[in-house]
Amino acid sequence: GQNIDQPTEMTATEGAIVQINCTYQTSGFNGLFWYQQHAGEAPTFLSYNVLDGLEEKGRFSSFLSRSKGYSYLLLKELQMKDSASYLCVQDSNYQLIWGAGTKLIIKP
Amino acid sequence: DAGVIQSPRHEVTEMGQEVTLRCKPISGHDYLFWYRQTMMRGLELLIYFNNNVPIDDSGMPEDRFSAKMPNASFSTLKIQPSEPRDSAVYFCASSGEGALGGYTFGSGTRLTVV
Repeated sequence: GQNIDQPTEMTATEGAIVQINCTYQTSGFNGLFWYQQHAGEAPTFLSYNVLDGLEEKGRFSSFLSRSKGYSYLLLKELQMKDSASYLCVQDSNYQLIWGAGTKLIIKP
Repeated sequence: DAGVIQSPRHEVTEMGQEVTLRCKPISGHDYLFWYRQTMMRGLELLIYFNNNVPIDDSGMPEDRFSAKMPNASFSTLKIQPSEPRDSAVYFCASSGEGALGGYTFGSGTRLTVV
C-alpha cells in the first residue's frame, strides 16, 4: 500500500500477546484505522485512532503517535480465531490508504 | 440493518464479456466506495461517491471500467469488455458522515475471468 508499512507476516502462540506495528506518512493525516480480514471475507472494522495514545477495546488495543507516524495493534490472550490479516489504514479526507496487511498466524 | 449488500457473490465469465457488479449501501450512509482486492496489489480504491455523485475515480484502471450510482440505495460497477487480469474480489463499502464508525464492507464479489 502507498506509504503504509507493516510486517507481511507474524506468528504467535495461542494465549500470548502480539503487537503489530504500522508506520505511515504524516502528511494529510486525519486518523488511523485497523481492520481485521479473515481469509475469503470482507475487512471488518476494529479501531479508529485520531488522538495520540492507547485505546483499549476488550482484548484488542490500538496505539497512535501522530508525530512519529506510528501505530500499533495489540492483541492479548490470543485465540485461534484471531488468525487473520490485520490491515493498517490511513484516513486522509475520506480517502483510505491501505497497508498490504499483516498475516497473523496463531499456533496452539 | 442488513449491512452492505453485494451481488453476485461469485461470478465466472469469459474474456470479452460484460460484467456488472451490484451494491446496496447501508441506508442513510452518504459515501459509497468500490474497492478491488488481489493478492499482488492488496486493496485498491477504484471510485467513491458522495450523495450519489462520483467524487474520485482516479483509481479506475481504464475505460473498460465504469461505475454509476443512480440513487442513494444502489450502485453498479461495470467492466466491458472483461479481461483475465480483472479477476479479483470486488468490495463495496459505505460510510455515514464522519469516519469514527468505520467503513462497512459488503461481502464482496469474487470475479473470475477465463
